Amino acid sequence: AQSVAQPEDQVNVAEGNPLTVKCTYSVSGNPYLFWYVQYPNRGLQFLLKYITGDNLVKGSYGFEAEFNKSQTSFHLKKPSALVSDSALYFCAVRSISGTYKYIFGTGTRLKVLA
Amino acid sequence: EAGVTQFPSHSVIEKGQTVTLRCDPISGHDNLYWYRRVMGKEIKFLLHFVKESKQDESGMPNNRFLAERTGGTYSTLKVQPAELEDSGVYFCASSQAGWNEQFFGPGTRLTVL
Repeated sequence: AQSVAQPEDQVNVAEGNPLTVKCTYSVSGNPYLFWYVQYPNRGLQFLLKYITGDNLVKGSYGFEAEFNKSQTSFHLKKPSALVSDSALYFCAVRSISGTYKYIFGTGTRLKVLA
Repeated sequence: EAGVTQFPSHSVIEKGQTVTLRCDPISGHDNLYWYRRVMGKEIKFLLHFVKESKQDESGMPNNRFLAERTGGTYSTLKVQPAELEDSGVYFCASSQAGWNEQFFGPGTRLTVL
């Protein structure tokens, strides 16, 4: 069965420090991986995706994610956190051999402290 | 370019009533998806339209849920009769092709009392 795990319900980080939001996945075949962010009272906004190629993917707002096939992980990172990065982050996976539906994790709330 | 829009933003109904949610995808996007997030858990897939056809409805919880996409433009999701466990946030998303990233609307928060 396909699944996504976001092991941390909440991550706190000081402004200016690097941040990491963790995601691991389980899917048959090669995965398509995505990160979305949800700000209060807003929809999910697409941040970045991994399809194939370079394991380090760069996305919107200075975020990047590293695909690690051996560890089945796709952690979201940013070198220097901003208070405005505080939001709910969702990792999702879609199998390229299956349907187009996304399997989401439970979300991680990121709090960046001034 | 306008994004995915959903109406209403909030709906509060009593158990046993009917509610209809609407989604307008991004213009030109043939693929439309419905998802639901219940009680702070993961966002779960409900179904996928390609134009007006249901491509995958494996996530629909039961026959109280009816989704339509007449003419391949906007879509509606009707819950009849609503139960307490139907409360949650219903998201709609669209994509140009099935393999493209999906763009999500703001969601409809449904509360069933």
